[in-house]
Amino acid sequence: KAGVTQTPRYLIKTRGQQVTLSCSPISGHRSVSWYQQTPGQGLQFLFEYFSETQRNKGNFPGRFSGRQFSNSRSEMNVSTLELGDSALYLCASSPGGAEPYNEQFFGPGTRLTVL
Amino acid sequence: AQSVTQPDIHITVSEGASLELRCNYSYGATPYLFWYVQSPGQGLQLLLKYFSGDTLVQGIKGFEAEFKRSQSSFNLRKPSVHWSDAAEYFCAVGPYNTNAGKSTFGDGTTLTVKP
Repeated sequence: KAGVTQTPRYLIKTRGQQVTLSCSPISGHRSVSWYQQTPGQGLQFLFEYFSETQRNKGNFPGRFSGRQFSNSRSEMNVSTLELGDSALYLCASSPGGAEPYNEQFFGPGTRLTVL
Repeated sequence: AQSVTQPDIHITVSEGASLELRCNYSYGATPYLFWYVQSPGQGLQLLLKYFSGDTLVQGIKGFEAEFKRSQSSFNLRKPSVHWSDAAEYFCAVGPYNTNAGKSTFGDGTTLTVKP
């Protein structure tokens, strides 16, 4: 099976712009989670989508949003970019069933730099 | 609230030496515990996981971890480190039921391997 893919891998934007990141989960996986990774804050959970619905949400401002399509592909959007949004954004997919817990498979990430 | 503490930010070991990375967790229910490894510029790869059963868990790449409920610890070990093990290691705790919430990651431990 192909792994989790994320596009683009690298992105440079300026403050105030918006950005959309894409994640294609492993075939058959219905859950997609997004994480922000920075040297100062570590890995922080953004949100999780399951069957096109947001199931869990982290503590990020409303500028961060996401959605999931019927084919389980997910997009994450950040509006009005700030310098502090520079980070590696990781997507993780899992089968998504309720029990037992499904391990997450991570993509390589999108490196976002905000100038 | 659930939390994960990795007390060692950075560890340096010589190639061939043994390794132990510490992880302490706080979780209100039975935890689902994970260790991930991240090479520079890459996503996270699952090394091993524990939910129940034998408290000594074997993973990939020769790693193992021991769950100690009384100490709320899940330390990662490897008998003989290889230069290719140099990476960042993350401990995580998650709910058994994905409907119950999200995983929480520690801040990571960076492993340097000396020749």
